[in-house]
Amino acid sequence: DTAVSQTPKYLVTQMGNDKSIKCEQNLGHDTMYWYKQDSKKFLKIMFSYNNKELIINETVPNRFSPKSPDKAHLNLHINSLELGDSAVYFCASSQDFRHSGGSYNEQFFGPGTRLTVL
Amino acid sequence: GENVEQHPSTLSVQEGDSAVIKCTYSDSASNYFPWYKQELGKRPQLIIDIRSNVGEKKDQRIAVTLNKTAKHFSLHITETQPEDSAVYFCASSSFAGAGSYQLTFGKGTKLSVIP
Repeated sequence: DTAVSQTPKYLVTQMGNDKSIKCEQNLGHDTMYWYKQDSKKFLKIMFSYNNKELIINETVPNRFSPKSPDKAHLNLHINSLELGDSAVYFCASSQDFRHSGGSYNEQFFGPGTRLTVL
Repeated sequence: GENVEQHPSTLSVQEGDSAVIKCTYSDSASNYFPWYKQELGKRPQLIIDIRSNVGEKKDQRIAVTLNKTAKHFSLHITETQPEDSAVYFCASSSFAGAGSYQLTFGKGTKLSVIP
């Protein structure tokens, strides 16, 4: 009954490789997010999608490309991995606030994917 | 863009004492302020949130206060227990578009409760 799930949990790869992380939520939410948590534990938004539409695209290298095949899934593909990409990547989801009278609601986080680039 | 400052970065308290973590934000349009707890190796989990039409909110041993004029909000944990040991993040919200909002997080406070 996991609300937000991610695969894989751990990812170890060589510099220059291409890898993907998958995220799925079964909460019926319309909005999904990707966050990066670096070694100092700083959490920073990367992307957000609402019902498959890209909403937030922070200053992230073009090597990162999110894809949302439907509103329950948001995947992250990373090309030409670099050492600095090593981090924990969290997926999250929230209810579209237009469905709750304009009130922002909790963002639920997935378990994270620890990416290590060697 | 929004900037959130969080203090202190580390906090050690004796079991049973209170802990206070403070945050300031820059965007006066922000109106939703959640606090997340992250245990080692786990996901961030919401512990309490407050909206701008409320000055204080309490949930058992946890309380949050908000001063919109001064643009700061605080987390108060009373009667701390060893299981409260974790990293705590404050966050401020801003409208992102469509039905999305963006959270800007503080840099976190590592709370250690000493038995």
